[in-house]
Amino acid sequence: QSVLTQPPSVSAAPGQKVTISCSGSNSNIENNYVSWYQRLPGTAPKLLIYDNNKRPSGIPDRFSGSKSGTSATLGITGLQTGDEADYYCGAWDSSLSAWVFGGGTKLTVL
Amino acid sequence: QVQLQESGPGLVKPSETLSLTCTVSGGSISGNYWTWIRQPPGMGLEWIGYIYYTGSTNYNPSLKSRVTMSLDTSKNQFSLKLSSVTAADTAVYYCARRGYDFWRGRGTDYFDYWGQGTLVTVSP
Repeated sequence: QSVLTQPPSVSAAPGQKVTISCSGSNSNIENNYVSWYQRLPGTAPKLLIYDNNKRPSGIPDRFSGSKSGTSATLGITGLQTGDEADYYCGAWDSSLSAWVFGGGTKLTVL
Repeated sequence: QVQLQESGPGLVKPSETLSLTCTVSGGSISGNYWTWIRQPPGMGLEWIGYIYYTGSTNYNPSLKSRVTMSLDTSKNQFSLKLSSVTAADTAVYYCARRGYDFWRGRGTDYFDYWGQGTLVTVSP
């Protein structure tokens, strides 16, 4: 059981928008920065969003992050088939003194 | 472009020690925190710990008694040892980099480069 809770799967059609939620607590999401990672099949995980809502160089602005209270959200607009991947949220947990992650969300672009 | 590559045995016997190495290319070990993260089959990611380039370490309390990390700066490598393994330690093991945030004067709150991962199975 992961400390951060994500939906196991989401789906949407090409060109549409999808959001992926990440629910935690005041010891992780509420009081620490959230990051998001994309893992395409057979590849290394890639950093998509850091510090709640910042994009690393090279990540298109179709990807966005937000945080409110104990929850964070990853948004993806203009969905492409190449976005089909597993997505993970992560944050430091001050109570556990450890980084914690969500269980991952599989995105299907129909 | 920084690249990380895990290497080590894919099969370890119960009660033995799992040993993995991560080779860093395209960048230096210096100035960064070098991290191990794993993912058991069908489960989420679990942070194992990190070693700073100075050699200081921070381990997940749930694994601390069994984990040892080390650096070999001459080879641009860092390593993980996990002792007394059981089937619950079967997982894909990733190495990753956590950088240093000069503005905040501490490590970053994210992992910016990851290896592809290596599957380690614990079985007799």
